[in-house]
Amino acid sequence: GAGVSQSPRYKVAKRGQDVALRCDPISGHVSLFWYQQALGQGPEFLTYFQNEAQLDKSGLPSDRFFAERPEGSVSTLKIQRTQQEDSAVYLCASSQGPTYGYTFGSGTRLTVV
Amino acid sequence: GENVEQHPSTLSVQEGDSAVIKCTYSDSASNYFPWYKQELGKRPQLIIDIRSNVGEKKDQRIAVTLNKTAKHFSLHITETQPEDSAVYFCAASRVGSGGGADGLTFGKGTHLIIQP
Repeated sequence: GAGVSQSPRYKVAKRGQDVALRCDPISGHVSLFWYQQALGQGPEFLTYFQNEAQLDKSGLPSDRFFAERPEGSVSTLKIQRTQQEDSAVYLCASSQGPTYGYTFGSGTRLTVV
Repeated sequence: GENVEQHPSTLSVQEGDSAVIKCTYSDSASNYFPWYKQELGKRPQLIIDIRSNVGEKKDQRIAVTLNKTAKHFSLHITETQPEDSAVYFCAASRVGSGGGADGLTFGKGTHLIIQP
């Protein structure tokens, strides 16, 4: 596609619910990143894929967070048993490779109530 | 891990004047330093980046300088215009190091306000 597409754009979840956030990267981009951006803060790294391989998940805040990219294109970030502190914008970014600049998606704004 | 400090947090300049935003980083192995512009409610957009093998890069009204010895880099915007108003983020990472790239570590952002 022309850009990085994320869905849903907005998600409201009750505390304790599971959510799944989708990222559709630019076609052919091998690198895919997930970031979490709290209000008024810079994005914080969550995890990185090169094709289908998850090469770095050091930024995932707890074992409630899980990401996958099974066929090396679309990725899903899953958050189990959501907590209020999970409320943030979740940004996905893709690039042609690790030495290229990223293109970010518009993000999913998650609100946990 | 990497730590990126960004200053100032808010910068107000008169239209037509220059703006400078400064960042420092802690990991001497970092080799890639992008700058992103983020308007309210929108995605971060890459505006310029620099790699550690050069000291300066310019693109029209925007320039970035890098001092590897001091571990700091700066964004310079000249002849500022109202549409430059946004939050600007610096970031650092060590890409191409093999075995996968580290993610970007971002600064906390600078809210740039262009006064008409």
